[in-house]
Order: sequence, then structure tokens, then C-alpha cells
Amino acid sequence: DGGITQSPKYLFRKEGQNVTLSCEQNLNHDAMYWYRQDPGQGLRLIYYSQIVNDFQKGDIAEGYSVSREKKESFPLTVTSAQKNPTAFYLCASSMRRDRGGYGYTFGSGTRLTVV
Amino acid sequence: DAKTTQPNSMESNEEEPVHLPCNHSTISGTDYIHWYRQLPSQGPEYVIHGLTSNVNNRMASLAIAEDRKSSTLILHRATLRDAAVYYCILREDILTGGGNKLTFGTGTQLKVEL
Repeated sequence: DGGITQSPKYLFRKEGQNVTLSCEQNLNHDAMYWYRQDPGQGLRLIYYSQIVNDFQKGDIAEGYSVSREKKESFPLTVTSAQKNPTAFYLCASSMRRDRGGYGYTFGSGTRLTVV
Repeated sequence: DAKTTQPNSMESNEEEPVHLPCNHSTISGTDYIHWYRQLPSQGPEYVIHGLTSNVNNRMASLAIAEDRKSSTLILHRATLRDAAVYYCILREDILTGGGNKLTFGTGTQLKVEL
């Protein structure tokens, strides 16, 4: 079955360390997205990529970095510059030239805790 | 980005219909109306979407006002498994430079009781 795989499900990081969250999809979707969710809040867009080797900042990109070297993969690095990284991180993908008429597919998320 | 307004929470009894409202008075002519739902500690799940006409699928129905400034997600018979946060989102047309992004609000927490 096609879908999005996020790993790991739970991740603990010491303050001052960088950490990379994995996101892989086998849906042949062009666009991929990273969202952050804090307790009791909606999702906020961190970065998104419409095609390979191209990506744009979302609403809260500071302290994060991404790469899109392959269509299937869109890893997110949470750097030590991110002041409050503890959160639930969600990856999503969609068709690109769909004129808004197709839905997003989300992964099951990675819960990052800074200890 | 266009914005939507939803009630913070709603309650329903099991096996009764549920009508979840959403206001989007600043919607543009090319924005699609999307609904997603999210269970605790899971990623959001696509429910339904529409542009101008009412839509039905196996999960729900979407009723869109004639002026498109509001819409209603209808769950025909609520079950305990439908208890979730429901998000109403406007998806911008990529051809108008919208970037194909989804902008989430805080959604409506639906509680279903026996």
C-alpha cells in the first residue's frame, strides 16, 4: 500500500544538538510538506517543496532546514537554533498540479522531546 | 492566506447526524474547501473537499452555501470513532500562486457520547 512513513515515532534530543526527522513517501506525489503541532494547537507550516531540488519556507522556518534530493524523501533537520523544538512533527504529501482538488496524505508523526 | 472560522467544540450523541459549520467569508473563486480530521497523536486524515457543488463520499457530505462563504460537514450517523478534531481549510489554487499549501486553524473538537 502507498503511503508516507515518518521515523522515528518518538525522538529525544539533548539541548544544543541537531536532529533529523525522516519522511518517505511512495505515492509518487510531487509536493511534500512539514508541519509542527503544539499541544491543543492547529498545524503550522515549516517548509514545503513542490519539486525535487526546490523548497520554500513556511510560516515558522527559523531553526529548521530541509533538503529534497529525491522525489520520495523530504528530511527535516531541527537545529540547535530552534528555541523550543519540543513538538509533534507531521509530514505530508500531495499532487502538485491538482488545482486544489486533491487531498493531502499525512504521515503518523514524530514526537520530538528535548531533554 | 484565506481564513476559516469554526466553533471550538461540539457534542453529539451516537448514531445521530452531526453538522459541523465553517465560515470562510474571504474565500476566492478558485479556493477549494477541504475538511480533515485528526485523532489524538495521529496525523490528520482527509475527509472531503469541494469547490461549488455539494459533495458526498463514504465518510461524509459537504454542503456549500450558494455564495461559498460558508460550508457544513455532515456526518450522517456519528459513532464513537468519529470523535476527533475537524479542520475546515481553504486550499489555494496553485495556478493563482497559492503555493498549494494548507493553512490549518484550531478546528472543532467533536465529542460523541453514547
